[in-house]
Amino acid sequence: DTGVSQDPRHKITKRGQNVTFRCDPISEHNRLYWYRQTLGQGPEFLTYFQNEAQLEKSRLLSDRFSAERPKGSFSTLEIQRTEQGDSAMYLCASSQLAGETQYFGPGTRLLVL
Amino acid sequence: AQKITQTQPGMFVQEKEAVTLDCTYDTSDPSYGLFWYKQPSSGEMIFLIYQGSYDQQNATEGRYSLNFQKARKSANLVISASQLGDSAMYFCLQGGSEKLVFGKGTKLTVNP
Repeated sequence: DTGVSQDPRHKITKRGQNVTFRCDPISEHNRLYWYRQTLGQGPEFLTYFQNEAQLEKSRLLSDRFSAERPKGSFSTLEIQRTEQGDSAMYLCASSQLAGETQYFGPGTRLLVL
Repeated sequence: AQKITQTQPGMFVQEKEAVTLDCTYDTSDPSYGLFWYKQPSSGEMIFLIYQGSYDQQNATEGRYSLNFQKARKSANLVISASQLGDSAMYFCLQGGSEKLVFGKGTKLTVNP
């Protein structure tokens, strides 16, 4: 049984660079979610997908952020022109159906210098 | 809007004792779920227990149980026989529609 995986686990980048994260959900899960967690806070919702359709985006997701799930399997989250305020843990989760338990990946820790 | 309140930023418990982590919620959804997750220092969010709003009995999963009081809108997590490995952040969440709404969490420290 493979759970949710995320790659990379850690990313250090310079301000202004673009970064892309990948999330592979549990194979039979239709729903895929992205969250962001800053130090000392609980995770905040960013966006979610039902198969390949992106159904909701938080206002936290500025126009520098874009997420895709092109074939309804893995998803990517890209941040363009990174800022120091983007430094956070980016968590991906998946669930089989709406409202069901979400299972989280290990997260990607981003540090923007 | 959904809202989760965890009033205990930090809790301490002696190993082998029980501890209760508080959680209150506020929702107008007629049907919803309440979840508890554990986040150790490694950062991974680990699902612990789920309670549906229409469930008649309190949920239990091993050493974890949920003290669900619907009228008071509280869903407290009880950990029995605490272990050193229980030291972590604990998040109470409400989900009913699409996304999860997290509380600010409670940091539990288990002392030997």
